[in-house]
Amino acid sequence: EAQVTQNPRYLITVTGKKLTVTCSQNMNHEYMSWYRQDPGLGLRQIYYSMNVEVTDKGDVPEGYKVSRKEKRNFPLILESPSPNQTSLYFCASSSLRGAGRMNTEAFFGQGTRLTVV
Amino acid sequence: DQQVKQNSPSLSVQEGRISILNCDYTNSMFDYFLWYKKYPAEGPTFLISISSIKDKNEDGRFTVFLNKSAKHLSLHIVPSQPGDSAVYFCAASYSGGYQKVTFGTGTKLQVIP
Repeated sequence: EAQVTQNPRYLITVTGKKLTVTCSQNMNHEYMSWYRQDPGLGLRQIYYSMNVEVTDKGDVPEGYKVSRKEKRNFPLILESPSPNQTSLYFCASSSLRGAGRMNTEAFFGQGTRLTVV
Repeated sequence: DQQVKQNSPSLSVQEGRISILNCDYTNSMFDYFLWYKKYPAEGPTFLISISSIKDKNEDGRFTVFLNKSAKHLSLHIVPSQPGDSAVYFCAASYSGGYQKVTFGTGTKLQVIP
């Protein structure tokens, strides 16, 4: 079954304690990305990756790190979480088609509800 | 700077009638547009997309229209069903190496039986 798997689903942590949210996809997709969803702001892209070892900033990258050492995995790292990073996080993957590398429909994980106190 | 806007936070429609969800964008470089549907406690799921070389794309009850000159797209659902009640997000991207994806803020659709 094609899927994007995020872990954990729920996480409560304290300010400053480093954490990692894992993301894995089984569709051999080149493109992976992380989003955060906040009330009234929709989904905002944090980081994306077009292939192994290729990552780039989205619209709200401050306070986050990512890595893409393998095609299937794209972890999100919060080195020093703060309360303003309390949010619902989604990982997604998609394929890039054609000469123009068109970013096609994304498959999303179930989400990670993070609370930083 | 919100490059993709969904100005209606919510919409209520009677079952069997048409639902029209709107989305406006400001960046003329966007060349691919998608709609996603999201139920509570789940990740968004892809619904339908359209390339900028087209002005209409249809898939069953769902049709997306693109008006490039107005930088506007809309999603039509006909007929609307109670199971369509969800939050709908439009998204835009452009190819050619710069691959950010920008989402709108979402429209919550309620289909009343």
